[in-house]
Amino acid sequence: QERLIQSGAEVKKPGASVKVSCKAFEYTLTNNYVHWVRQVPGQGLEWVGWINPNSGGTNYARRFQGRVTMTRDTSTNTAYLELSRLTADDTALYYCARDGSGYSLLGWYFDLWGRGTLVTVSS
Amino acid sequence: QSALTQPASVSGSPGQSITISCSGTDSDIGDYNYVSWYRQHAGKVPELLIYDVTARPSGVSLRFSGSKSGNTASLTISGLLPEDEAEYYCTSYTVTTTAVLFGGGTKLTVL
Repeated sequence: QERLIQSGAEVKKPGASVKVSCKAFEYTLTNNYVHWVRQVPGQGLEWVGWINPNSGGTNYARRFQGRVTMTRDTSTNTAYLELSRLTADDTALYYCARDGSGYSLLGWYFDLWGRGTLVTVSS
Repeated sequence: QSALTQPASVSGSPGQSITISCSGTDSDIGDYNYVSWYRQHAGKVPELLIYDVTARPSGVSLRFSGSKSGNTASLTISGLLPEDEAEYYCTSYTVTTTAVLFGGGTKLTVL
């Protein structure tokens, strides 16, 4: 069964960085773009950006540019999200989600989601 | 303020039909068919219901349907069931920033 398995919860201090992993099972990561979406507790969903696991190309939401880096390791079928200069406002559940288009195309929708990684930023 | 506008809440009785709207602009919903809808039960992971405005993934009930008119997309749920009670989100591609916009979410209550 295809699934995305994310790394465990993180607690970070303001100003620190966090790196979250997202490992694909039962499908090849490079076949689909991977998006990252975050959700502040009790609030709505927010798109962070995507990575093309085939080429390594990325596209980030403007409000995260300069602070976010998405990478992948094709040998382990894993995508990563790194967010730097954390503030309390970054406390959220971070989801990775597969783009539903496949064939290394962008469909701009999410057909498979990880269970989320809670990142808590607190002094 | 969310980039796409959804009503904060809607409600309906079991068996009824409801429609959730999602308003955007010419730069997103109006000009592109990259509209999708998700359902999120409390404490759970979002689930894809509709993509490309009207397409339904395999396994999603025929009770869910999507449409678009001008800059507004809509999700219709027919034959409401108690388990439909959840938060619903729309998304659209936007050419302005080559990004995905989310709606603020609509809480559906099944009375």
